Amino acid sequence: DAKTTQPTSMDCAEGRAANLPCNHSTISGNEYVYWYRQIHSQGPQYIIHGLKNNETNEMASLIITEDRKSSTLILPHATLRDTAVYYCIVRVAGAGGGADGLTFGKGTHLIIQP
Amino acid sequence: DGGITQSPKYLFRKEGQNVTLSCEQNLNHDAMYWYRQDPGQGLRLIYYSQIVNDFQKGDIAEGYSVSREKKESFPLTVTSAQKNPTAFYLCASRRDASSYNEQFFGPGTRLTVL
Repeated sequence: DAKTTQPTSMDCAEGRAANLPCNHSTISGNEYVYWYRQIHSQGPQYIIHGLKNNETNEMASLIITEDRKSSTLILPHATLRDTAVYYCIVRVAGAGGGADGLTFGKGTHLIIQP
Repeated sequence: DGGITQSPKYLFRKEGQNVTLSCEQNLNHDAMYWYRQDPGQGLRLIYYSQIVNDFQKGDIAEGYSVSREKKESFPLTVTSAQKNPTAFYLCASRRDASSYNEQFFGPGTRLTVL
């Protein structure tokens, strides 16, 4: 699976859009970009995933650059409950080759300020 | 309610004792996973099972064992051979291992070995 690089931490004011960047310059053509988040001492929660087109769901939007080497997760109206560690993961969808699991790095600690 | 349950939430054991962590899901998912998380770190894959009666080692399987006798259950045993067992353990499931679907995580079990 391709390696990802994320900032260690970010702040965002409540009610503003939170934009979380992720670099994945070694991504290959059949690898998807997944985003999960983990609120302190809980299990991670799936947010969104995409291949090359921008995606939107009820939680967030995912913007993937045309060369697919980076992406941005957007939380349109951040609330205090969005404070969490956000993980950007790149992997082949489905079983793929090798161990069938997700490789979580250290992620970005997003802190929403009141 | 459908979901993944892990019990107990907190577990204390003496060094040298084996301990089994429970993971149950009623989502009718084929694939199940065990991860370990250390403070300030991402998740690392211990074992995974893509179907009943089959399981595979992940990245850090040494000192752990699993079974998958029923579709809904995937217990993890932390043996005395695991040199540093104190950690946060997370179980996850996925509808199946061959399609583009996300993993659902349980609330986790925090194991402390005294």
